[in-house]
Amino acid sequence: RKEVEQDPGPFNVPEGATVAFNCTYSNSASQSFFWYRQDCRKEPKLLMSVYSSGNEDGRFTAQLNRASQYISLLIRDSKLSDSATYLCVVTSTRRGTSYGKLTFGQGTILTVHP
Amino acid sequence: NAGVTQTPKFRVLKTGQSMTLLCAQDMNHEYMYWYRQDPGMGLRLIHYSVGEGTTAKGEVPDGYNVSRLKKQNFLLGLESAAPSQTSVYFCASSYGPTSGGPYNEQFFGPGTRLTVL
Repeated sequence: RKEVEQDPGPFNVPEGATVAFNCTYSNSASQSFFWYRQDCRKEPKLLMSVYSSGNEDGRFTAQLNRASQYISLLIRDSKLSDSATYLCVVTSTRRGTSYGKLTFGQGTILTVHP
Repeated sequence: NAGVTQTPKFRVLKTGQSMTLLCAQDMNHEYMYWYRQDPGMGLRLIHYSVGEGTTAKGEVPDGYNVSRLKKQNFLLGLESAAPSQTSVYFCASSYGPTSGGPYNEQFFGPGTRLTVL
């Protein structure tokens, strides 16, 4: 079983739609959670962190359910510029070190069309 | 600030050839990382470094070596390239836990597309 699993999609939605992505992780000791965005043939960039209480950044809302080991990202009022791959990222600290190991999901592809 | 830069951007090698990928960052980050990204696999950590002069193995270190002689540079070497090493290679950097910054956020370079024939 992969440490971080995402539905690879692709999700094809019209402009203005609301779309939600899910992610599950297997390591119950995971400490921090993020969504990264990766445009085609570009590097990943941090989109937002995910907190237990849930957090919102404009049209983007992230939720974490530690009991179910589940993370979600909701995008409201989709724009053409939201087309990208969204990577679910989980961190855990390796025993005996202070290094925070990032584990990436394989990504969910979103295409927003006119 | 240039952020994280990588050279070269593209490279084609023949099986058995060697090469070095260079990563440089100007953010004074403690930690640096090398990943490879393959279709359907996500990003996988090859090696990482928590400071100048230190390196450690990640998930998929076989066939690669690294060096961190200067804080701002992290080199990835392929001694004898194999077709299985055809991939996109990303370098990343982040603050360390003593730097006061959010060390879990990693900043990525633009990537190197490597093909091994």
